[in-house]
Amino acid sequence: AQSVTQPDIHITVSEGASLELRCNYSYGATPYLFWYVQSPGQGLQLLLKYFSGDTLVQGIKGFEAEFKRSQSSFNLRKPSVHWSDAAEYFCAVNLGGFKTIFGAGTRLFVKA
Amino acid sequence: GAVVSQHPSWVICKSGTSVKIECRSLDFQATTMFWYRQFPKQSLMLMATSNEGSKATYEQGVEKDKFLINHASLTLSTLTVTSAHPEDSSFYICSARYANTEAFFGQGTRLTVV
Repeated sequence: AQSVTQPDIHITVSEGASLELRCNYSYGATPYLFWYVQSPGQGLQLLLKYFSGDTLVQGIKGFEAEFKRSQSSFNLRKPSVHWSDAAEYFCAVNLGGFKTIFGAGTRLFVKA
Repeated sequence: GAVVSQHPSWVICKSGTSVKIECRSLDFQATTMFWYRQFPKQSLMLMATSNEGSKATYEQGVEKDKFLINHASLTLSTLTVTSAHPEDSSFYICSARYANTEAFFGQGTRLTVV
C-alpha cells in the first residue's frame, strides 16, 4: 500500500542552525511530492513541490527539498532556521494526481 | 490564483444537531474536491473525494450517512456533519484541484460539538 513516512515526530533546532526533515514514501511509480507547513489552528501552506525534472526543488521561505529516487526520499532542508519556522511540517504524496496522502507530520521547535 | 475558501472557519454546535461546512474554489473550477479530518496533533486523514455532479467516494471507515458530501457545482462542495456528537469535534480541511494540478487547500474549519 502507498504510504508516507516521516520518522521524526518532533525536532528541536537552535535558531540559525540548519534543518533537515526526513520523508520517505512507498509507491510503485514516482509520485508527485509536496511539503506543507501548518501553524497551530491554521490550514496548510505549500512550501514546495516536485513533479519531475530537477530533483532539487526550491520553495518559499528559504526551504528546499531533494528527491532521491533510489532512496524513495524527499527530505526538506533549510540552511538557517528562524524562530518563525516553528510549526508542523507535513510531507505529502499525490498518487497519480488523484488524491493526496500525508505523513504523520514533524513538529519543529526552534530554541533561541 | 488557485484560492480555496472554507466557511465557517470555526463553529460550535450542540450535540445532536447538524452542521454544514462549505468549501469554495474562488478563482478556478474544481473538478475534484477532497475532505480531510485532522485530530489534535495528528496528520490529515482523507475522508472522501468528490467529483462535481457525482456521488462522493468515501474512504474506508468513514460513515457516509454521518458525513454527507455534496459537490453540486464546479466551485462548491459542502460537508454536512449530521447528528453531531462530541467525538466529531475536529479540524476539517478541504482541498480542490483542476485538470492535472496539485490540490489547493482551504484554511480549515474547527468544529466543536458540545
